[in-house]
Amino acid sequence: AQTVTQSQPEMSVQEAETVTLSCTYDTSESDYYLFWYKQPPSRQMILVIRQEAYKQQNATENRFSVNFQKAAKSFSLKISDSQLGDAAMYFCAYTRSGNTGKLIFGQGTTLQVKP
Amino acid sequence: NAGVTQTPKFQVLKTGQSMTLQCAQDMNHEYMSWYRQDPGMGLRLIHYSVGAGITDQGEVPNGYNVSRSTTEDFPLRLLSAAPSQTSVYFCASSYGGFDEQYFGPGTRLTVT
Repeated sequence: AQTVTQSQPEMSVQEAETVTLSCTYDTSESDYYLFWYKQPPSRQMILVIRQEAYKQQNATENRFSVNFQKAAKSFSLKISDSQLGDAAMYFCAYTRSGNTGKLIFGQGTTLQVKP
Repeated sequence: NAGVTQTPKFQVLKTGQSMTLQCAQDMNHEYMSWYRQDPGMGLRLIHYSVGAGITDQGEVPNGYNVSRSTTEDFPLRLLSAAPSQTSVYFCASSYGGFDEQYFGPGTRLTVT
């Protein structure tokens, strides 16, 4: 069975600094997709970034980028120039090929941003 | 576009009661899912659907039923509520199986 692990329950970063959130996953599939979702205190889940496993290039979205290491089954999220609005819980998620829409989530990392 | 809507936002049930959590989307998405969120466990998939008339079980389906008679609606039924079902429930939809999932605002359910 596929699993997603986020080993950092809590992280903190100073405003304007850079922080990296870790995620590892376990799968025997070669074709899959990985996601980072953000959940602010409002509870609304928001997509941050999406990575297709067959693409070598790491995905980026403005201040957010990933380090995708397929062989190591690692998918970390880097947030540059952290802002107070980045404070939230961040979830790593995986879905395999087969087009079922079934997302498997990690446990989440709570990010605190200090002014 | 309202996106994904869920009702109610909050609910308190007594053990043994039944209820239906409503979920609707107006984006013509084929894929819809129900998740529950518990502290320290992330979101876990309860049931999902890949189109009207097609549903399947996720990781934690026991105690829940779903049906999908239309593309827009995907209700989740709790048959006989138990305290272990106290959680926050999210409905989500997506255009394709690999696409971004759009989440509703969630329902906080407490079973006493």
